[in-house]
Amino acid sequence: AQTVTQSQPEMSVQEAETVTLSCTYDTSESNYYLFWYKQPPSRQMILVIRQEAYKQQNATENRFSVNFQKAAKSFSLKISDSQLGDTAMYFCAHRTSYGKLTFGQGTILTVHP
Amino acid sequence: EPEVTQTPSHQVTQMGQEVILRCVPISNHLYFYWYRQILGQKVEFLVSFYNNEISEKSEIFDDQFSVERPDGSNFTLKIRSTKLEDSAMYFCASTPRRDNTGELFFGEGSRLTVL
Repeated sequence: AQTVTQSQPEMSVQEAETVTLSCTYDTSESNYYLFWYKQPPSRQMILVIRQEAYKQQNATENRFSVNFQKAAKSFSLKISDSQLGDTAMYFCAHRTSYGKLTFGQGTILTVHP
Repeated sequence: EPEVTQTPSHQVTQMGQEVILRCVPISNHLYFYWYRQILGQKVEFLVSFYNNEISEKSEIFDDQFSVERPDGSNFTLKIRSTKLEDSAMYFCASTPRRDNTGELFFGEGSRLTVL
């Protein structure tokens, strides 16, 4: 069974600073996708960034980037130049080849002015 | 931009009542999912659905739950006799492909409150 672990229940950062959210996962599959989803107070799940396991290059989307360490089964999210609108719950997720998405416990990120 | 829509946005019901949550997936999508999030907790997989049958279900998805696609557009989750612990946000999601190259597209969720 796939498991996803986020060991930081809460994080905070000052506006314009950089913050890194941690995630580890466990899977027996060799090919899979990893995702970071953002859930603001509105509760909708918004995709932030995704990484294909067979790609060695770390994914980047504007201020968001990942550090994907396949051997260590680690997938951290770095948010640069944090903005107040980044305040949300962030979920790391792993997708199996059959399409089921498994989520971590979530990290509440608060960006302070 | 196409999106997954869910109704109702919030439903309050009495314990023991039946509830139907509705979802309209994106029109060319083939795979459908229900997830549940109890307040403040992680998002949990309930069930996946493809070609008019359940592909996979979790241990949460017991006999009280059922899903169907009654027509070409709706995808419903029914809870036959609600319990207090069914209070949660329920998310529908869809994807055009079953493999792991596609993103799951989520609806905005339906909040269920069981009194």
